[in-house]
Amino acid sequence: QSALTQPPSASGSPGQSVTMSCTGTSSDVGGYDYVSWYQKHPGKAPKLMIYEVTKRPSGVPDRFSGSKSGNTASLTVSGLQAEDEADYYCSSYAGSNNVVFGGGTKLTVL
Amino acid sequence: EVQLVESGGGLVKPGGSLRLSCAASGFTFSRYSMNWVRLAPGKGLEWVSSITSSSYGSYADSVKGRFTISRDNAKKSLYLQMSSLRAEDTAVYYCARDSTNFDYWGQGTLVTVSS
Repeated sequence: QSALTQPPSASGSPGQSVTMSCTGTSSDVGGYDYVSWYQKHPGKAPKLMIYEVTKRPSGVPDRFSGSKSGNTASLTVSGLQAEDEADYYCSSYAGSNNVVFGGGTKLTVL
Repeated sequence: EVQLVESGGGLVKPGGSLRLSCAASGFTFSRYSMNWVRLAPGKGLEWVSSITSSSYGSYADSVKGRFTISRDNAKKSLYLQMSSLRAEDTAVYYCARDSTNFDYWGQGTLVTVSS
């Protein structure tokens, strides 16, 4: 149950796009289409932004999109807004009812 | 409206025990897998445990043998019995709904393990 690898930080100016990566193995990210992304603001509960690699829950802006290639998943935030500044975590199903998270990426809107 | 409300956190000494609860409302609790996820100070989210609708439990290696997850569908409640607690178990513990996509989360309850 090793954590997925995420870059510790990412940044972009308002209106720009930023992409964050999430790297696992063939036993988790590469083996299942059950990658999710969560947005976490300080003091608040995590919020599901993307599930099953590319799907957006109702109410999540279409500025958020997900993709996957091999053992690496990505979250792209387009048209950056100030309120997008948060920590972003990826997760993946890892078999046998286990789930693994990434270490998180802190997104800064410059 | 789906709501998950955790309780039971607090300060406990190393080696001690604590039982967390999560009260669910706004959905058919018995039909969903449920989870505990924690966020330690300065660290990232960590999946702790899950339980299926038929009460099959799974655990992260870091808590296996020390934590026990359970549920009471009649009371629409999820539990986490934590024993042999260590300093590294200090975290905010969240309950979250569903098996692979944690679509709803509670606000969390803080567990501090310190002498």
